[in-house]
Amino acid sequence: GQQVMQIPQYQHVQEGEDFTTYCNSSTTLSNIQWYKQRPGGHPVFLIQLVKSGEVKKQKRLTFQFGEAKKNSSLHITATQTTDVGTYFCAGHTGGFKTIFGAGTRLFVKA
Amino acid sequence: NAGVTQTPKFQVLKTGQSMTLQCAQDMNHNSMYWYRQDPGMGLRLIYYSASEGTTDKGEVPNGYNVSRLNKREFSLRLESAAPSQTSVYFCASSGRDQGTEAFFGQGTRLTVV
Repeated sequence: GQQVMQIPQYQHVQEGEDFTTYCNSSTTLSNIQWYKQRPGGHPVFLIQLVKSGEVKKQKRLTFQFGEAKKNSSLHITATQTTDVGTYFCAGHTGGFKTIFGAGTRLFVKA
Repeated sequence: NAGVTQTPKFQVLKTGQSMTLQCAQDMNHNSMYWYRQDPGMGLRLIYYSASEGTTDKGEVPNGYNVSRLNKREFSLRLESAAPSQTSVYFCASSGRDQGTEAFFGQGTRLTVV
């Protein structure tokens, strides 16, 4: 069945360093979403990408959708302690099912 | 607006006991979902409901049943709890079929002993 692989599983960074998490789908996606979950919290929507090759920015966060619409990445520039949490990608191929990646847990050391 | 409300927040069950997790949303969303979250496994879809009156299996439906009571409410039932069902359960809702923002409840931390 459809799978969305996300790497790395964990990332430890020093505050101020950059961070990137990657998602790869076994099938072409109609769109992909990114969510952030703070420790002990629930996932919160960050952004959605729809177009092939799309790039969107939110302050220090840059989201990309691959040309083949099978992969995506989230890059955080100059991490801060407030960036701590788990970042999930979620892929849609149509219909009502959302397939989440396993998430990348980000640790930021001050 | 409360968004998505789940009850209870915490629950401990003995093996073989049954319970129902409740979920309600006040955003007039058509689609509702139940996920479970286990360490290193991300969010796995248990069941979903595309609209009132319909439910469908997700990735891991075994051991669970659901009811879409009305447009607002979507409950998840464990008929005979097993230790493998120890997890954090999230209910979510979204406005249309695919590709719209999902809103999550606060989660239910369930332990089966």
